[in-house]
Amino acid sequence: DAGVTQSPTHLIKTRGQQVTLRCSPKSGHDTVSWYQQALGQGPQFIFQYYEEEERQRGNFPDRFSGHQYPNYSSELNVNALLLGDSALYLCASSDLSGQGINEQFFGPGTRLTVL
Amino acid sequence: GNSVTQMEGPVTLSEEAFLTINCTYTATGYPSLFWYVQYPGEGLQLLLKATKADDKGSNKGFEATYRKETTSFHLEKGSVQVSDSAVYFCALAGGTSYGKLTFGQGTILTVHP
Repeated sequence: DAGVTQSPTHLIKTRGQQVTLRCSPKSGHDTVSWYQQALGQGPQFIFQYYEEEERQRGNFPDRFSGHQYPNYSSELNVNALLLGDSALYLCASSDLSGQGINEQFFGPGTRLTVL
Repeated sequence: GNSVTQMEGPVTLSEEAFLTINCTYTATGYPSLFWYVQYPGEGLQLLLKATKADDKGSNKGFEATYRKETTSFHLEKGSVQVSDSAVYFCALAGGTSYGKLTFGQGTILTVHP
């Protein structure tokens, strides 16, 4: 059973560019959440997608947007990159229709470096 | 809003020592509480959880008890191993933050042989 997968593993961009990160949830999961983890910090919630809709959003600007596809996979897009966007971006999946609605399984993350 | 506070780190111990990592939280309603572990270069793995007051979560020798009266969820292990070296995160979900995990800042644990 494949767990949560993310691509790419690492990414280097320059200020002002745009980036797309991808996530495939664990088999059987229908909900995807994205987190930003700055170096030495705990993950910060960006947003959550369920049934292809943004269900909840954290304190992140509109430069951060996302999408969920019918197969439950998801993308995180960041426009107009800033140096401060450099971080590990984590995707987590969960099953809202089952009992473990708060148990989220994390992928290995995408390390984004903005120069 | 919800928040989680972990003890200041890092923590350095010798193998077979007793481990405690303190975690306190602020939340409305009745959140679920979690400990996640992050090994170098990897994502987060769920270590244990508790969903209601007085529940004890346990896994791989680690334990934590949901204490509503003290709003705490301290992580303990009786005898640590070198392989336990990692970053440990306390987190909560539910209450008014349905579906969203709120994390503490993390505690780096290093265990020496």
